[in-house]
Parts: sequence; structure tokens; C-alpha cells
Amino acid sequence: GAVVSQHPSRVICKSGTSVKIECRSLDFQATTMFWYRQFPKKSLMLMATSNEGSKATYEQGVEKDKFLINHASLTLSTLTVTSAHPEDSSFYICSARGAGYDTQYFGPGTRLTVL
Amino acid sequence: DQQVKQNSPSLSVQEGRISILNCDYTNSMFDYFLWYKKYPAEGPTFLISISSIKDKNEDGRFTVFLNKSAKHLSLHIVPSQPGDSAGYFCAASGGSGNTPLVFGKGTRLSVIA
Repeated sequence: GAVVSQHPSRVICKSGTSVKIECRSLDFQATTMFWYRQFPKKSLMLMATSNEGSKATYEQGVEKDKFLINHASLTLSTLTVTSAHPEDSSFYICSARGAGYDTQYFGPGTRLTVL
Repeated sequence: DQQVKQNSPSLSVQEGRISILNCDYTNSMFDYFLWYKKYPAEGPTFLISISSIKDKNEDGRFTVFLNKSAKHLSLHIVPSQPGDSAGYFCAASGGSGNTPLVFGKGTRLSVIA
């Protein structure tokens, strides 16, 4: 299957700082990328959908000024958590889908801990 | 309103036997269904999918069955192995190519040796 990477896999930061998470499709062009958040013992929660070259579409209740998403190329999308707070601590997962395909391939996830 | 439901949060199966994971959906616009396997603190791994024009798709030990009239799909794993112990998520999509997947809440499978 297609490969999606995420970097970093784990990050610890101080409250008030910003953190950037990268999502890359390694062997295909991802026209659409998705960002999810997973709370303990819960299912994946879709945060936003991003299409290459256009603004991301955020799900209801997700602050777009807090979670900045950039999908600048067909292989890279970034999620920046701005002015992070302890309640932003979570497991963030991206997925990517190529043009004309329905299957999404997921990255390994990033564990964010805000102190 | 949950459009994709996995009503069994957990399932235990003896090694070598068949594991059957079930999924129901409510949206008749869904036309593509997927199963993902997930370990804690990892991203989901794509397992198998099925288009609404089919009623069965097989890949090795994994078979997905789709019953459109009942809006039901199931994943069969046979024979089950201890390494299959993980979370299994059913997902559905439909409409435009940019539509996000809709996930069920998952079923935790434990295969007992």
C-alpha cells in the first residue's frame, strides 16, 4: 500500500508555544489530506480536510486560527498548533488520498504533549 | 447521528477460528467501504475495501462482505491469529472525491492462543 509519514512522531512543548507537524505522502501524489485527532479510548475525530493549493475545510468546533493547516504541495501538508495549551495534548494523525482514489492511507501519528 | 456503526466494542476469538466483525451504515449515498486495523498510539493501516457494485472482496485471510439492502458489511478473518489482535475500524465514503471517510467507533479483537 501507499506510504504516508509524519514528523515528529512525538513532541513535548511548553504551554504557549507553537508546534508544527508534517505529513508527507512518500510514493504518491496526495490531492487531498485529512487531519484527525484521537482522544484516549475514542474513535478518530476529523479536524479538517485540505486540498492541495486551497484553504482547508474545518469541521464544526475546530478552531481554524488555532490549528493552521497548509497543503502547499501534492506530497506535504502541515498542521501547526498555535499557542498550545495542555488541553491540546493528544494524538494527531494525518491521512492522504490520491486523485480518483477512495482509499485513504494514514500516517503513523504524532503524540503531542503540552506541559 | 452516527452514520457508521460498529455495535460490538470488543470480540474474543480462539486462534485458528473465524473472526467476524460487523458494521452497519445508514447513509445510502455511501458507495465505498473500507476496513482498517489499528494498534494503540499508531495510525490505522488499510486492510481491505469493497465498492458498492460488489458483494464480496477477498484478500488472503481477509474477506469483506457487503449487503446493500441491509446496509451491512462484515469483515471475516480466517484463520484468526494472535497477531490479528488489534482495533478494527469500518469506514465509508460516498459522493465527491474530496468527501472524508466516515468511521465507526471500532471493535477491539482479541485472538486467544
